[in-house]
Formats: sequence, structure tokens, C-alpha cells
Amino acid sequence: AQSVTQLDSQVPVFEEAPVELRCNYSSSVSVYLFWYVQYPNQGLQLLLKYLSGSTLVESINGFEAEFNKSQTSFHLRKPSVHISDTAEYFCAVSDLETSGSRLTFGEGTQLTVNP
Amino acid sequence: KAGVTQTPRYLIKTRGQQVTLSCSPISGHRSVSWYQQTPGQGLQFLFEYFSETQRNKGNFPGRFSGRQFSNSRSEMNVSTLELGDSALYLCASSQITGSYNEQFFGPGTRLTVL
Repeated sequence: AQSVTQLDSQVPVFEEAPVELRCNYSSSVSVYLFWYVQYPNQGLQLLLKYLSGSTLVESINGFEAEFNKSQTSFHLRKPSVHISDTAEYFCAVSDLETSGSRLTFGEGTQLTVNP
Repeated sequence: KAGVTQTPRYLIKTRGQQVTLSCSPISGHRSVSWYQQTPGQGLQFLFEYFSETQRNKGNFPGRFSGRQFSNSRSEMNVSTLELGDSALYLCASSQITGSYNEQFFGPGTRLTVL
């Protein structure tokens, strides 16, 4: 079984400031890692994912996350945020040994970007 | 290509009733998963269907059930509703089953149990 911990439930930042949303996971087997974003009254959208290869993964809208196996972390970063980045962000894992498409999510981090 | 659609978007029921929620996946997607989202428990996996067969099941009581039709559309049913079943129910589809596949989420059905 695996678990995901998002260390901050709320992160308020000012526009154009950098931000880091922290995610740690626990699993006895190798995992795939994901970040999803949820805007108000919408479903989740995949932001980026780590399956294998380079430990640094990037999204098209400037977010990046780095897989750190020794620290079992997958923190999400953006060097300069916009008002439109205000949303809830979820870190998720799925393990390589479970058949199917099951995701285990963290509790979520509400990112609020203020002008 | 149309996204994942869920109907109805909002639903109000009373304790003891049963409810059926519907999910239409993206065209060509054969895997459908269901998740429950609540403020207290967060996002929790309910079950996954692939080619009309349940592939995975989360830790929910038997009151929660689902099925998938030959056109990949899926329904979930909750019988004998409890107040704690109030939640946003999200459906996600992917082309095939497998933990590496990107899942596309619908907007959800918000169920309120009074």
C-alpha cells in the first residue's frame, strides 16, 4: 500500500513570486508520480507526470517537479506564478505492481495567488 | 474530441434512498475509474472498469457498486444512502488500463444527502 502526504494545505503567494508545493510519498514498491490541478467546479487536469527517465519533469505552463527517490519526494515548483494559477493541486501515486489505473492522492494544496 | 461527461451534475437525495450516477468516457477510451472527493477524506478510489470488467476496487462498503456497458459508458450506484455519502463523485477515463496511463477526469457529480 502507498500513501501521499502534501505538507501544506494552503499556500498563499503574491503574483510573480516563486512557489513550491511539497509532496512526499510512501510505498514499498516503485511508483509513478503525478501532479493534478483542480479549478473551482471542475474536474482534475493532469499537470505533469514522472514515469521513468529524467527525474526533472516539466509542464507546458511553467511548472516543474523533481522526483527524489532517496527522499521519496516529488515537489512541484514554479519560478513565477500568475493569478490564473490559483487552484487546488493534488499529488498522486500509482504503483507499478497494481494492475489497472488506481491512483492514491494526497490531501491537496490550495494555492492562492494574490495581486 | 469531447471530454468526459458526467450526469447529473448535481443531485439531492435523502437518507435511505439509492442513487445512480452516469459517466461517458472520451471516445475510444475503455477504462473508467470512479473517485469520491470529500473535504474530510480527500480523493479516494472507488473502482475501475475495463472492458466491462471490474479491475480494481477501493475500500468502500458493498453499498457502492458499478458497472460498465459495451460502449464503455459506466454507472455507479449507491444504495441506502447515508449522510456521509455526500461528496463530489469524479469519473476518469483512459485509453487502456494501467497505472502509467493518463486519466482524464470529468467535472463530477455533486451528491448531497439530507
